[in-house]
Amino acid sequence: DMKVTQMPRYLIKRMGENVLLECGQDMSHETMYWYRQDPGLGLQLIYISYDVDSNSEGDIPKGYRVSRKKREHFSLILDSAKTNQTSVYFCASSPGPERLFFGHGTKLSVL
Amino acid sequence: QQNVQQSPESLIVPEGARTSLNCTFSDSASQYFWWYRQHSGKAPKALMSIFSNGEKEEGRFTIHLNKASLHFSLHIRDSQPSDSALYLCAVSSVGDNSKLIWGLGTSLVVNP
Repeated sequence: DMKVTQMPRYLIKRMGENVLLECGQDMSHETMYWYRQDPGLGLQLIYISYDVDSNSEGDIPKGYRVSRKKREHFSLILDSAKTNQTSVYFCASSPGPERLFFGHGTKLSVL
Repeated sequence: QQNVQQSPESLIVPEGARTSLNCTFSDSASQYFWWYRQHSGKAPKALMSIFSNGEKEEGRFTIHLNKASLHFSLHIRDSQPSDSALYLCAVSSVGDNSKLIWGLGTSLVVNP
């Protein structure tokens, strides 16, 4: 069953705390993504990963970093979270320059 | 940098209506054109794609692409309440097909 799994589903953090969002996929897709989605701003690409240890900044990488040590796993790290990083974060994977498979999202609130 | 715009921002139609959603882009060199659908509180899910000029039909859904006009569209025949969702168009970035440039979406409500 093709699946992208995100953990956790909901997260509440205080400003300045570190945040780890995790994403796994069982389709052996080379390419994985982290997006955030905010009302009125649409889907914004944070990072794209073309394979293990082959990561590239997206449109809004500031304040974020990523780690991909295994093809099936892609993490998003927020060091010292800020209130403006409150958002819904989506992970996605893709077999190529075509269809993206999205996880169910992580709703992050930074207080 | 590719620029993608969607219209209208929102749309309310009665059940059974034909619905048309529009997407314009700025660079005809893009190769992949997608429509995604996102139900409230859920993840976006790929609906249909088209890679060359023309039309493609899948069930009640039809995509049109006209690269010369920098326009592609999604048409829904016999709209159903279950079609109520946010519809996102996406165009592959020129030079990196792995990156999609997204529109802000059209919010569709189909009233029973």
